[in-house]
This record gives sequence, structure tokens and C-alpha cells, in this order.
Amino acid sequence: IAGITQAPTSQILAAGRRMTLRCTQDMRHNAMYWYRQDLGLGLRLIHYSNTAGTTGKGEVPDGYSVSRANTDDFPLTLASAVPSQTSVYFCASSDSGGGGRQDTQYFGPGTRLTVL
Amino acid sequence: GQNIDQPTEMTATEGAIVQINCTYQTSGFNGLFWYQQHAGEAPTFLSYNVLDGLEEKGRFSSFLSRSKGYSYLLLKELQMKDSASYLCAVKDSNYQLIWGAGTKLIIKP
Repeated sequence: IAGITQAPTSQILAAGRRMTLRCTQDMRHNAMYWYRQDLGLGLRLIHYSNTAGTTGKGEVPDGYSVSRANTDDFPLTLASAVPSQTSVYFCASSDSGGGGRQDTQYFGPGTRLTVL
Repeated sequence: GQNIDQPTEMTATEGAIVQINCTYQTSGFNGLFWYQQHAGEAPTFLSYNVLDGLEEKGRFSSFLSRSKGYSYLLLKELQMKDSASYLCAVKDSNYQLIWGAGTKLIIKP
């Protein structure tokens, strides 16, 4: 089934621990994105990648890192988790990335992360 | 700064019509999106407007006025399954999406 998968579905993590959220898409989309969604706030972009091998910082990149070794995978790493990183994390992808007009983004099911 | 404003919550009756407004102030404009998000699920794409006017898709329509920085999503013949949050997002001059906080729509029988 074409789409985006994320893992894990949910996770409870001790502060200070390292955590990688996984994201894989099979639509051969060039661009991928990581957002966090917090109650009362809009989706906020953490990092993005317009094509394999390139990444960029979004609105709230501090404390997070990403890599884009190939088209399909875009993992998000929290090097040392803090309670303020408790959130729902969504991965998304789109066909073309920067410069594309409509370039609709399609979302994965999300990862609910709690940092204690 | 960049800003997207939507009402936090709206209530409507099954079978009725509801209009969800979105106003925006962004650095540049390259289109406006509406997404639907059911509780605990991912956002799903509903509509895209880049030119002024109304776009109709079945029971859902979306309107844009670029001069007023304003859009609305119109939902007709409301069904219980339309209970969800509706997210407005604007693509800015850097082609990044700026998101509103969403409008939670509650449908009552």
C-alpha cells in the first residue's frame, strides 16, 4: 500500500535519552518533512529535505537532527531528549519540494512521544 | 511575523452548512491549503487555492481572497463523520507551509 509509515506509534522516554523516530515513504517523493504538533499550536516544521542528500532547518530545529541518505527514509533523532519535546511528531512528503507551487504534502500516521 | 488565524472551535448541526474562516499574514503567498484531521489521526488534504475565487469539491468548497488575506472552507450537508479539526495552511515566499492552529468542528445530531 502506497504511503508513509512511521515508527514507533508511541514512546515514553526518559529525559536525556537518545531517540530516533523513523519515517519511510514509498511514493518516490523528492521532499520530506518533520513536524511537531502541540495542543493549541499549528504544525511546526522541524527539518525538511527537498531531495535525497540535502536537509534544511525549519522553524523549531534545536535539539533535533535529520539525515536523508536515500529517497525513501527520513529519520529524526533527538540526541538528548527533554520534557519540552513531548509532542506528536508527523512526517510528511511531497512530490517536488522547494519551488513547487501546489506540491501537496501527505502525512504519516504520527508518533506520540512523551519525555519524562 | 507570520500569522494564520482560525476560530478555535465551532459547533454545527447534522445536515446544516458551516463556514470556517481563515485569515493570514505571511511573507509572500504561494497558495493556501485546507486539511482535515480527525482526532488521533494524520492531517489529510482537502483543497488548494492559489487564485481568487471558489473551488468546489462535492460537499466541500474553499474560497480565497488574496487582497483580503482571507479564505473560508464551506461544508454542506454536514455528516457526523465531518467532526474533526480543519487546518488552514499558507505557502509563503520560501515555499514553506505556515499552519494555523486548526478549528475543531463539533457536529451535533
